[in-house]
Amino acid sequence: DIQMTQSPASLSASLGETVSIECLASEGISNDLAWYQQKSGKSPQLLIYAASRLQDGVPSRFSGSGSGTRYSLKISGMQPEDEADYFCQQSYKYPLTFGSGTKLEIK
Amino acid sequence: EVQLVESGGGLVQPGRSLKLSCLASGFTFSNYGMNWIRQAPGKGLEWVASISSSSSYIYYADTVKGRFTISRDNAKNTLYLQMTSLRSEDTALYYCARRGMAHWFAYWGQGTLVTVSS
Repeated sequence: DIQMTQSPASLSASLGETVSIECLASEGISNDLAWYQQKSGKSPQLLIYAASRLQDGVPSRFSGSGSGTRYSLKISGMQPEDEADYFCQQSYKYPLTFGSGTKLEIK
Repeated sequence: EVQLVESGGGLVQPGRSLKLSCLASGFTFSNYGMNWIRQAPGKGLEWVASISSSSSYIYYADTVKGRFTISRDNAKNTLYLQMTSLRSEDTALYYCARRGMAHWFAYWGQGTLVTVSS
């Protein structure tokens, strides 16, 4: 199984700050990586797929990058509505696996 | 608008069975692979099972293989998860999700809560 190691587990950011979250896959996943945002009490929502492609309707301050085994999600200019949990997921092969999540809070 | 509405959750004793349903609307259900994903209280996301559009391909997480069965009825636009031999560690919010162009989860339902306890 492909293990997804996500870091940090939590972070706090000031409004307007740029933040990054990383995921490390235990083997190469050929950019088959997605990022999800889950706000408190809500269902997860797809932000990024294929490592860097923005899902329709997602603000452009969100971006994804990476290759091979290392991927990252960047939020350029933290907004109040970005306070949430974030998860990465490899879609390269079964079993599909998620990172353990990052709790992002406003400082 | 894509909508996925799960139902069938509840409180069940260990060892018993439960069947979840997910009614889909707003898209051509028979064209898309579907998935179940769960989230234990306060925990992360765990993929449970996937089924292709025509039910030709089915995959399970090792934690549920042999106990859970995913199925679909394209005429009824409905996805199912039959859960047997339930354990306390199966307690979670169960989400139905539609795949995107590949094996990511483009749309999610609101979830249905399964609590396994005596």
